[in-house]
Amino acid sequence: GAGVSQSPRYKVAKRGQDVALRCDPISGHVSLFWYQQALGQGPEFLTYFQNEAQLDKSGLPSDRFFAERPEGSVSTLKIQRTQQEDSAVYLCASSLDEGSQYYNEQFFGPGTRLTVL
Amino acid sequence: QKEVEQNSGPLSVPEGAIASLNCTYSDRGSQSFFWYRQYSGKSPELIMSIYSNGDKEDGRFTAQLNKASQYVSLLIRDSQPSDSATYLCAVENTGFQKLVFGTGTRLLVSP
Repeated sequence: GAGVSQSPRYKVAKRGQDVALRCDPISGHVSLFWYQQALGQGPEFLTYFQNEAQLDKSGLPSDRFFAERPEGSVSTLKIQRTQQEDSAVYLCASSLDEGSQYYNEQFFGPGTRLTVL
Repeated sequence: QKEVEQNSGPLSVPEGAIASLNCTYSDRGSQSFFWYRQYSGKSPELIMSIYSNGDKEDGRFTAQLNKASQYVSLLIRDSQPSDSATYLCAVENTGFQKLVFGTGTRLLVSP
């Protein structure tokens, strides 16, 4: 079946622009996660949804970062007034509903590489 | 102290050898442990999950977990050049859902 998809794959933004990054999770996966990965580092958690509920947004670095998942499927990560330090790969992952033996295995999409000039 | 620590490498092994990758974590409440493989320019790919002490084997891969020592490892038998990648250790603390990653160990398998 189809995996996690993300769009766009690459985004170049001028400093100060707003950007929106989209994630389509694996069909049937209830949980959705956003991570940020800087070059040479492991992914770092940003935020987590269970269905449409945002249960943890402790990793969002500033109030310029906003995520939503209004219908419990597709999610959008929005970054307002982008700064150069926002340049990174933004990864989306999804996992099965709790109750399955493998509910917490997270599967990643291809990522969106954001470059802020 | 980082929550999840890995040697950044590179770890160089000849083709056919066993590669041993190690990871330590600081949170004793951690319940779930994962190994991801990441090729350059690609996203992390889940290769192993382990939840209880001991060994778990899947093909050429064996994950080992020792919760008392807060240590998890990945063994790759009969290493192939195609195994050359960065291997990320990830730890989840039950109830918090999020994964905490190490910085990864770069593995180089030479023909």
